[in-house]
Amino acid sequence: ETGVTQTPRHLVMGMTNKKSLKCEQHLGHNAMYWYKQSAKKPLELMFVYSLEERVENNSVPSRFSPECPNSSHLFLHLHTLQPEDSALYLCASSQDMRDGYTFGSGTRLTVV
Amino acid sequence: DAKTTQPPSMDCAEGRAANLPCNHSTISGNEYVYWYRQIHSQGPQYIIHGLKNNETNEMASLIITEDRKSSTLILPHATLRDTAVYYCIVRGRSSNTGKLIFGQGTTLQVKP
Repeated sequence: ETGVTQTPRHLVMGMTNKKSLKCEQHLGHNAMYWYKQSAKKPLELMFVYSLEERVENNSVPSRFSPECPNSSHLFLHLHTLQPEDSALYLCASSQDMRDGYTFGSGTRLTVV
Repeated sequence: DAKTTQPPSMDCAEGRAANLPCNHSTISGNEYVYWYRQIHSQGPQYIIHGLKNNETNEMASLIITEDRKSSTLILPHATLRDTAVYYCIVRGRSSNTGKLIFGQGTTLQVKP
C-alpha cells in the first residue's frame, strides 16, 4: 500500500456505459495526476490538478472527464469509450508539483 | 519529448550488481535526474534522484557524471524482485517543468 488507493482495481465496461474511477490519498499532498498506460507504451500524463484546480489537460478526448472535489480525492468519469481506451489508468499525488510522486496501483480498464 | 535515452532491455544475474545507464546530454543546470521503476502492472515506484552529486539510499546508488550528461543507477545486489522497467527522467523544479514525463525505460530482467 503506497498511500494512494485506486478503485476499482479492474473494470470491464461496454462502449455505451458510464463509469467512474476513483483515487484517494491521505498523504496531505496538494497535487494529483491521472496517467494512462496502454500496452507496450510509456505512461501518458492526462490531467494535472494542483490545489483542486485543473492545471493541465494534455489533449485528452472529452469522453474522459476528471473531477477533483477536494485535495484527497480525484475521479475520472468515463462515458462512450472506445476499445482503444483499454489501458491501465494510474493516479499519483505529490506534495506540490515539484516533489516526488506517489503512485497508486492503477485500474485495469477493458472496454468491450 | 523525452529528454533521456536508455537501452530498451538488460539482463543481470541474481546477486550481482545491476548498472543501468541513462544519457541526458541536453540536461540544463537546474534539472534533476530521477529514477522510478515499475514492476509489472503496478504503479511506478520512486527510487532515487540527484542533481550533480552521487546519491545513495537503501534501494540504490545514483552516479552522475561530472558534465551531467549521463548517469548510472546501481542496484548493488539484484534480486528476482528487482525485475522491472526502470525509468530515468529529467525534470525541472518549476511547476511547468517539474512534471514527470516517462519514456520507454529499460526492462531489467534479473535471472537466477
